[in-house]
Amino acid sequence: EPEVTQTPSHQVTQMGQEVILRCVPISNHLYFYWYRQILGQKVEFLVSFYNNEISEKSEIFDDQFSVERPDGSNFTLKIRSTKLEDSAMYFCASSVVGLYGYTFGSGTRLTVV
Amino acid sequence: EDKVVQSPLSLVVHEGDTVTLNCSYEVTNFRSLLWYKQEKKAPTFLFMLTSSGIEKKSGRLSSILDKKELFSILNITATQTGDSAIYLCAVEAYDYKLSFGAGTTVTVRA
Repeated sequence: EPEVTQTPSHQVTQMGQEVILRCVPISNHLYFYWYRQILGQKVEFLVSFYNNEISEKSEIFDDQFSVERPDGSNFTLKIRSTKLEDSAMYFCASSVVGLYGYTFGSGTRLTVV
Repeated sequence: EDKVVQSPLSLVVHEGDTVTLNCSYEVTNFRSLLWYKQEKKAPTFLFMLTSSGIEKKSGRLSSILDKKELFSILNITATQTGDSAIYLCAVEAYDYKLSFGAGTTVTVRA
């Protein structure tokens, strides 16, 4: 069964450092997303991406965040200058529009120290 | 602001029991409601509901949507310890964005 692949599974970084979280969505999917889940809290939408541009973003997705699809297969989330409160599980997801729901990756646990 | 409320927040049952999980929502431009099961990491897809009154079933799990009263229920019959997880309800709007509820933690004891 097709999967959304995320790397790394766990990343520890120092406050103020840049991190890039990587995702390989399912190949025939057209919509890509990043969500995050702070420990003990609900899953929150960050950004959606379609046709090589951001289609929607939340208030959380400020200027410190950016997304890119650099080569037609990878989908990355960059946090420029990490803060302690960025510590969370970050999920990438992709979908074929409205048909089968989303497929989530297994997540990257980001710990900012 | 879109709102998804799940209840109860948690419950503990014994193997063989039936559980009913609730999800109510207030979402602009509703497209679909989705149920996910979250164990250690990624939410795994259970159901996608778009039409009222049509029950979806998968083994011991079933779900139904009421678009008039704006809620959905997820039933699990003959529960097993492997059903222990957080069950997430999410509502998709026409911008394809998901709004999640806080989840219901189900613990099934042997």
